[in-house]
Order: sequence, then C-alpha cells, then structure tokens
Amino acid sequence: QSVLTQPPSVSGAPGQRVTISCAGSSSNIGIGYDVLWYQQFPGSAPRLLIYDNNNRPSGVPDRFSGSKSGTSASLAITGLQAEDEADYYCQSYDNSLSAYVFGTGTKVTVL
Amino acid sequence: QITVKESGPALVKPTQTLTLTCSFSGFSLSTDTVGVGWIRQPPGKALEWLALIYWNDDKRYSPSLKTRLTITKDTSKNQVVLTMTHMDPVDTGTYYCAHRDGWGPGYFDYWGQGTLVTVSS
Repeated sequence: QSVLTQPPSVSGAPGQRVTISCAGSSSNIGIGYDVLWYQQFPGSAPRLLIYDNNNRPSGVPDRFSGSKSGTSASLAITGLQAEDEADYYCQSYDNSLSAYVFGTGTKVTVL
Repeated sequence: QITVKESGPALVKPTQTLTLTCSFSGFSLSTDTVGVGWIRQPPGKALEWLALIYWNDDKRYSPSLKTRLTITKDTSKNQVVLTMTHMDPVDTGTYYCAHRDGWGPGYFDYWGQGTLVTVSS
C-alpha cells in the first residue's frame, strides 16, 4: 500500500552509475513536499542518505545525489562500490493522507 | 550526540495491546520543531510510518491505523510511548523510533536499532 513507487531492483558493475526512481503524485512530491532517501543494510536500521531532495547529511559520500522533478524523484549513485549494496527507500509527505509515506524500496546489487 | 532506542515485548498475543517505549538522549522534546516518530517494517517488506509527536504535544497518526494507535511523551524522562491495540499477526515486524528534524513535515535523521515484535498465540 506504498504511495511512492520504486523499481524492485537495480544493478550495476563497480564504478558505474545507477539511478533509482521514486514515482509519486500531485498530493505528495508533485505538490512540493521534499523527498528523502534512506539506505538500509540487512538487519540494520535505515540511515538518512538525502534530505530536502538533494542534501547529504554529514558523512554521506558525495557519490550519492538526489533530484526531484514534477511528481517524481531520483537517487543517483555514481562510482558504484560494493559497499553500496543495500536497500534504498524514498520518503515524502502526502497531503491527501496527512501522512508520511515511504517508497516500495529498491535493492541495489553490485555485480 | 543523538541516540534513540526502542524497548518492548518481543512477543504479543493476537488481540493484545502492544506498548513500546522510545528512550532518547542528545535532544529535548521540549525544543521547538523537534519530534519523535514511529515507523515499522514487516519482514522483507517496506517501511511504514505509524505516528509522530511534536515538541508542542501535537500528534499525528497513520490514517489506516489511527483508531489503534496512541502516542505520548514524557519530557522529563526523555521517553515516547506508542501503544497499538488489537494486535494481529500481520502487525509482526520491526518497530523503529526516530528523531524528526527539519521544517515542514521534515525527515527522520536518527533511528533506533529497532525492536522485533512477533504477534502469535
């Protein structure tokens, strides 16, 4: 019942660039609410990766970047590394639901 | 630095009420714009936001679970408590609490390690 839709999986070779899409609607991303991205390793809590669409908290490598356009957002990982293999979730706020909403999640595999 | 930690029962029976406590340090829930939220994750599934309480005691709930949830804070103890009534096996999962920051709805920047709750008779 996730409101934000992500591809189930993306993969890439070390050093490549991969992008993860996050499709929303006019009641969340499209109306101007910020998009956040979280990284989650198996058995661990999510970690904030990107806030306010394209800002990185301290300690997050600059190979991670976020963007937003219309009703969608994207997370890009440039120079993919083995340690980037994890699940990634987008998050925003939905005005119609009056609720924080998460994406369906994307598993990144490093080939 | 900010830390948050969840505690509560690992096993609850169907129809029972779940009570989870979030204990935190490094910030005060009496400071403007601060909030603490609860998010859960069924095994192998996506994250789901449950509830949020702000510094001014404003409370927000997931619309699909609103009738079952209650969130409260004890500022003097640096704790936030979430109760969920009428537990069902589908409520099995890891429950996280997180510090909320930012303007507007904001974001969850510090998460606890999570506590696994299994609903079974």
